[in-house]
Amino acid sequence: SQKIEQNSEALNIQEGKTATLTCNYTNYSPAYLQWYRQDPGRGPVFLLLIRENEKEKRKERLKVTFDTTLKQSLFHITASQPADSATYLCALGPPGTASKLTFGTGTRLQVTL
Amino acid sequence: EPEVTQTPSHQVTQMGQEVILRCVPISNHLYFYWYRQILGQKVEFLVSFYNNEISEKSEIFDDQFSVERPDGSNFTLKIRSTKLEDSAMYFCASKPGTSGAGEQFFGPGTRLTVL
Repeated sequence: SQKIEQNSEALNIQEGKTATLTCNYTNYSPAYLQWYRQDPGRGPVFLLLIRENEKEKRKERLKVTFDTTLKQSLFHITASQPADSATYLCALGPPGTASKLTFGTGTRLQVTL
Repeated sequence: EPEVTQTPSHQVTQMGQEVILRCVPISNHLYFYWYRQILGQKVEFLVSFYNNEISEKSEIFDDQFSVERPDGSNFTLKIRSTKLEDSAMYFCASKPGTSGAGEQFFGPGTRLTVL
């Protein structure tokens, strides 16, 4: 069965450092991968999308890589700030337009001063 | 900025009762979704809806569940006879029709508590 694992339940880092979150998947051939941010009691908010034929995408302090051979995506937040503290979800999508998302369990990031 | 809205924010019901969760997707979006998230667990896909019909549904979406788009703006999820295990946050999402890989816009969720 399909499995999506995110590296750890929680990640604590110091302000100003780079946070690196991992998403690994098995038994899946996604057409694309997305990263979302979720704050407690709120809905997921889209951050970045990367397609299967892309290696890297950047947006401001965010960077995502996608390795379909390793079946892994890395999500980086550079110069992290306390406001970046949240749960980060990776989500995989199949080919096709309706495209349901299959989510990982998430990594809770805590950025401290 | 347009956003997906959901009502109510919190619904408490007795086991066996019917509930209707309501969503107003972003206008001009073409794809609509329901997801749920049991406390402490991952977000799970329930159903996708396009062109006034279900395009895909998960194993969770059994005969107790139904969706409807009764007019041009609302999108509803009905649970006919709620069970204790239906307690969860239910998220509605919508997506423009431009690309299969496009981002989905999520609403704030409805917390359903079944007693």
